[in-house]
Amino acid sequence: GNSVTQMEGPVTLSEEAFLTINCTYTATGYPSLFWYVQYPGEGLQLLLKATKADDKGSNKGFEATYRKETTSFHLEKGSVQVSDSAVYFCALYNNDMRFGAGTRLTVKP
Amino acid sequence: SAVISQKPSRDICQRGTSLTIQCQVDSQVTMMFWYRQQPGQSLTLIATANQGSEATYESGFVIDKFPISRPNLTFSTLTVSNLSPEDSSIYLCSVEGTSGGREQYFGPGTRLTVT
Repeated sequence: GNSVTQMEGPVTLSEEAFLTINCTYTATGYPSLFWYVQYPGEGLQLLLKATKADDKGSNKGFEATYRKETTSFHLEKGSVQVSDSAVYFCALYNNDMRFGAGTRLTVKP
Repeated sequence: SAVISQKPSRDICQRGTSLTIQCQVDSQVTMMFWYRQQPGQSLTLIATANQGSEATYESGFVIDKFPISRPNLTFSTLTVSNLSPEDSSIYLCSVEGTSGGREQYFGPGTRLTVT
């Protein structure tokens, strides 16, 4: 079946550090892939998406590339800010939506 | 992207009672989804609600416990019945985007605490 495995947290970084949150998936065919962000006390917001192999999704300085060969969709940001502190969810759609367990990121000044 | 509102934003309920959560979308949508997010956990789909038909429930969720209404294309309610402390969670509604990419847009959530 379809599933998403993402890097366990929590992740704590200093401001301006480089961020990578790993995400791998299992699915047949060509799922659509997403990263969502959940700020404290809020619902999920779509951060970025990619719908086919080699697509790169990007938003607010975050990027992720759809890698079919490694079934991965790792989230990266070159320089994190305190305001990026949140929980990040990797997700896929392949007949239904599946979410990873979430990775809590804390960025310290 | 759709703008989604939920009411209430949070509530504290006694065990044995019920809570009805409302979800309003600013545009007409075919499908609406209801999720549960237990403390510190990921999202679990409860059911999919299509206007004019019975909701489709995921394994482990039943209509008697989580009745859903979908009276029109912009509104849905989820009731959590016969509450127990294990029902303490955030409940989120979502809709699918219109770009064809299958992304979903979420409401702000309803935080339920059962005492």
